[in-house]
Amino acid sequence: GAGVSQSPRYKVAKRGQDVALRCDPISGHVSLFWYQQALGQGPEFLTYFQNEAQLDKSGLPSDRFFAERPEGSVSTLKIQRTQQEDSAVYLCASSQARSPMETQYFGPGTRLLVL
Amino acid sequence: DAKTTQPNSMESNEEEPVHLPCNHSTISGTDYIHWYRQLPSQGPEYVIHGLTSNVNNRMASLAIAEDRKSSTLILHRATLRDAAVYYCILRDVKAGAQKLVFGQGTRLTINP
Repeated sequence: GAGVSQSPRYKVAKRGQDVALRCDPISGHVSLFWYQQALGQGPEFLTYFQNEAQLDKSGLPSDRFFAERPEGSVSTLKIQRTQQEDSAVYLCASSQARSPMETQYFGPGTRLLVL
Repeated sequence: DAKTTQPNSMESNEEEPVHLPCNHSTISGTDYIHWYRQLPSQGPEYVIHGLTSNVNNRMASLAIAEDRKSSTLILHRATLRDAAVYYCILRDVKAGAQKLVFGQGTRLTINP
């Protein structure tokens, strides 16, 4: 079956531009997570949705970062006024239910480069 | 969150077993031990998890120390495709659906 897909796979932005990154989770998955992965580091949590509700946004680094999942499926991560330090791979993951033991399935990520 | 410690890198040869260690001395009674791996240019993928007993699946085995302060992921016969960064992660069963807390992981190199 189809896995988690993300688009675009690569994005180059000039400093100060706004970007929008899309995540299509596995159909029927209730939970959706966004992570940021800097070069050579492990992924770091950004935010978590259960259906359309954003239950945890403690990892968003600044108010320039905004995520939504209005209908409980597709999610968009928006970064306003991008800065060079925003350059990273942005990973989306989904899981079937709310249990902490549920496997998270990751997409391939969007590699963002801010010049 | 309980912390895990892994070696930065390990190297092995193709078709040989690989033992990837993880220390988690502050693990609590409700923490499960999960392993994910990340192949080059891909998102992480689940490998295996366990609580107290050793676990086997088609990908790997997980050996958990009796005091649960350490564990070892075992790849029985490594292939080139197993070259990846391996992350050992603790997940608390008492919490609701929760983020994964990744450390630096172990970068595994497989020599042909």
